Amino acid sequence: DSGVTQTPKHLITATGQRVTLRCSPRSGDLSVYWYQQSLDQGLQFLIQYYNGEERAKGNILERFSAQQFPDLHSELNLSSLELGDSALYFCASSVRGTSGGTEQFFGPGTRLTVL
Amino acid sequence: QQQVKQSPQSLIVQKGGISIINCAYENTAFDYFPWYQQFPGKGPALLIAIRPDVSEKKEGRFTISFNKSAKQFSLHIMDSQPGDSATYFCAASRASGSARQLTFGSGTQLTVLP
Repeated sequence: DSGVTQTPKHLITATGQRVTLRCSPRSGDLSVYWYQQSLDQGLQFLIQYYNGEERAKGNILERFSAQQFPDLHSELNLSSLELGDSALYFCASSVRGTSGGTEQFFGPGTRLTVL
Repeated sequence: QQQVKQSPQSLIVQKGGISIINCAYENTAFDYFPWYQQFPGKGPALLIAIRPDVSEKKEGRFTISFNKSAKQFSLHIMDSQPGDSATYFCAASRASGSARQLTFGSGTQLTVLP
């Protein structure tokens, strides 16, 4: 158990709909990262928040948005859903590790299926 | 543009054998190279990581070898066990303030036969 929690575990919805994925980071971690994992694109970074502020953006579509709240939990909002948005969405939180890099701990993911 | 290339895509090893997975990167600004292990239905779990000022790092049966001049790094799993069967991802990140997003390789599905 990484200490990162994500809800819901599974989400099935229809094209055109909007969903919200939720992530609670490990206690004390200020950074939250969102990643998308799909068969054709692999694991791709979407967006990072640090202590409530957006810090980095990756391959995130304009239909997607995120935010981090004062209690440090984060939400990823996906709107106007398309079939191609079906994927696993992971949240990770980070702490500076012994290797000098920032160790990221991943949650169990939310599997989104768009029908 | 794929910045971290991983090979092989799949690997089958006998129990007790050595599993070797290779990665190559393009961006010389990368300064942190972790490996993640992912079991079906689970999130990636950090296995071991290295910085470019070190050529090798060992933790138990897992070793990272790093070649800065070649911009390559590899994961060696010694005495591979059936329980090691999983998908392995190499990754890289660079320091940019507090932005340290990971760029992942495409993954290697390892199967260790009993």
